[in-house]
Amino acid sequence: QQPVQSPQAVILREGEDAVINCSSSKALYSVHWYRQKHGEAPVFLMILLKGGEQKGHEKISASFNEKKQQSSLYLTASQLSYSGTYFCGTDAYNTGTASKLTFGTGTRLQVTL
Amino acid sequence: ETGVTQSPTHLIKTRGQQVTLRCSSQSGHNTVSWYQQALGQGPQFIFQYYREEENGRGNFPPRFSGLQFPNYSSELNVNALELDDSALYLCASSLTRISGANVLTFGAGSRLTVL
Repeated sequence: QQPVQSPQAVILREGEDAVINCSSSKALYSVHWYRQKHGEAPVFLMILLKGGEQKGHEKISASFNEKKQQSSLYLTASQLSYSGTYFCGTDAYNTGTASKLTFGTGTRLQVTL
Repeated sequence: ETGVTQSPTHLIKTRGQQVTLRCSSQSGHNTVSWYQQALGQGPQFIFQYYREEENGRGNFPPRFSGLQFPNYSSELNVNALELDDSALYLCASSLTRISGANVLTFGAGSRLTVL
C-alpha cells in the first residue's frame, strides 16, 4: 500500500522552513527521500534505516519513527533551488539487494522570493 | 563518473505495438530497477535485475519484461501496448551491498505516449 504524504503542496518564502511527512501502514525497514524537478530525474536526498542509520545531504535532515511507521523531512532556511516535488519511498524488507521502493504521491514545494 | 542514461527520451506508439526502452547504469553499479511514473503520481516499481536475473517484481503483467546485460545495462520491453501504459519510465541503478539499504540513482526517464 502506498505511503501517504502530507501536505500535498506547500508554498514558502525563501528562508522559511518546511516539514514534509510520510506515513505508512506497514512496518518499514528503510525510508528514502527524493526530490524531482519538472522533467528531470528524481534526486536522492536522504535514506533512513531501521535502527537509526542515516545518510543524506548536509542542509536537509529527517527523522524516522519506526514504531509509528512515519518519517518526516525537515527543510530549513529554504532556497529557491528547493522547489520541486518531494517523494518518500519505503521498503518493508531488507532483502539483501537494492531497495524495491513504494513511493508516496508526492509533496509539491514552491519557494518564492 | 557518468550517471544513469536512458533512451529514447520521448516516443509515441499506438495501441497494440511493442516498445523497448534502454538504460545504461551508473559506473560501478550492478543492480537496475525500473519504475513507471504516471502524470502527477509517484513512481511505481516494475521490476529489478541483479546479476542478469529478475530479482523482484511489482504488480505489473507479464507483457512487461526486461533484461540486464553483463555490462549492467538494461532493457524494458512492453508488448501489446495499452493507453494506460502512457507514462514516464524511470530506470534506477544501485550498488547492492550486504546491508540492502542502497541509494538509487535515477535516470531522467523515457516518456512514452500510447495513442
